Amino acid sequence: AQKVTQAQTEISVVEKEDVTLDCVYETRDTTYYLFWYKQPPSGELVFLIRRNSFDEQNEISGRYSWNFQKSTSSFNFTITASQVVDSAVYFCALVNTDKLIFGTGTRLQVFP
Amino acid sequence: EAQVTQNPRYLITVTGKKLTVTCSQNMNHEYMSWYRQDPGLGLRQIYYSMNVEVTDKGDVPEGYKVSRKEKRNFPLILESPSPNQTSLYFCASSYSSGGITYEQYFGPGTRLTVT
Repeated sequence: AQKVTQAQTEISVVEKEDVTLDCVYETRDTTYYLFWYKQPPSGELVFLIRRNSFDEQNEISGRYSWNFQKSTSSFNFTITASQVVDSAVYFCALVNTDKLIFGTGTRLQVFP
Repeated sequence: EAQVTQNPRYLITVTGKKLTVTCSQNMNHEYMSWYRQDPGLGLRQIYYSMNVEVTDKGDVPEGYKVSRKEKRNFPLILESPSPNQTSLYFCASSYSSGGITYEQYFGPGTRLTVT
């Protein structure tokens, strides 16, 4: 069975702190894709990143970085120097062929 | 502008009154899907479609119907809504190739309340 676990339900930080959102997944497939989505208070779902199972290189995009480790089945997301605008619910998701499985999300609150 | 649109955005209805939520995408995506989002449960897939005239059940299909007669449209039908279908619904679409679906792009959501 496929599963995505985001054990952190809610995280609160003060602006400029670094924060890491954890994502652990389970799958028996050798080919799969992992995603992160952001859901700001306005409610829309915004795609952030896709990573395939054969590419374990870390990725950095501005203040965002992602650490994919197959050995621990983790795909963690770090925000450096957090800002109030980063406040949102963040979802990790997994797909192998046709079904996208979401974690339950981590609510990040960044206080000024 | 590339987008997924859903209508209506908000809907309050009564138990048993049939309703349809429309979804349309202008990106020529093969894959479309419906999700519901409930507090503490994340997003759960209701139905999905890999292409025209091809639909499959997701994790929570009971009480819902879909159809895919055209590539761009994927309506969600609740034949006899019940209060436990009160939720936030999202439609999504994505490019699909070789049996793999890629990142999904979501509509703005439809908040449904069934009394």
